[in-house]
Amino acid sequence: DAGVIQSPRHEVTEMGQEVTLRCKPISGHNSLFWYRQTMMRGLELLIYFNNNVPIDDSGMPEDRFSAKMPNASFSTLKIQPSEPRDSAVYFCATTWAVNGYTFGSGTRLTVV
Amino acid sequence: AQTVTQSQPEMSVQEAETVTLSCTYDTSESDYYLFWYKQPPSRQMILVIRQEAYKQQNATENRFSVNFQKAAKSFSLKISDSQLGDAAMYFCAYRSANSGYALNFGKGTSLLVTP
Repeated sequence: DAGVIQSPRHEVTEMGQEVTLRCKPISGHNSLFWYRQTMMRGLELLIYFNNNVPIDDSGMPEDRFSAKMPNASFSTLKIQPSEPRDSAVYFCATTWAVNGYTFGSGTRLTVV
Repeated sequence: AQTVTQSQPEMSVQEAETVTLSCTYDTSESDYYLFWYKQPPSRQMILVIRQEAYKQQNATENRFSVNFQKAAKSFSLKISDSQLGDAAMYFCAYRSANSGYALNFGKGTSLLVTP
């Protein structure tokens, strides 16, 4: 199994541009989570899906952020328009049971 | 939301020695799960150990063990025979058994291992 696959690994973009982060979960994992990591705030849950349905998006900071999971093998996190304060590492994690949380390698986003 | 507190921003240990990282949490639930994750400079999040609240026995994984004190809401991680490769950020995390599947993380402890 290739694990949770995130792309891109690094992204540098200009303020105001649209950014799309991608995640491919492990096959069979029915829950998917998007986290953001910063020095100031640590690891914050943005949104999570269960069986492709968004369950809790209360962590999404603003309307500029949106996430989709069109099928069991793909999810996206989009920021439009991006701002410098969105700079962070974004992680996707998936699980099928309480013991099976697996994280992707993360996307380091820099907005200049 | 449950709060997870790691009161030690940084810790240092010599190779081959033992170190304990602290974690406390705040919850009104009786059924939940606790985790320790390791994040080396590569930034990969790696599960170190997991504990179910209903189990009284402390979890152990090779050189890693926990001291789970449910009444005190404490969940410390002990690393024995520390190795240079143990140097990393360590995060404590909480997951409710009944209300959602998300992990709620502490702010982390940076562990330095010296030769």
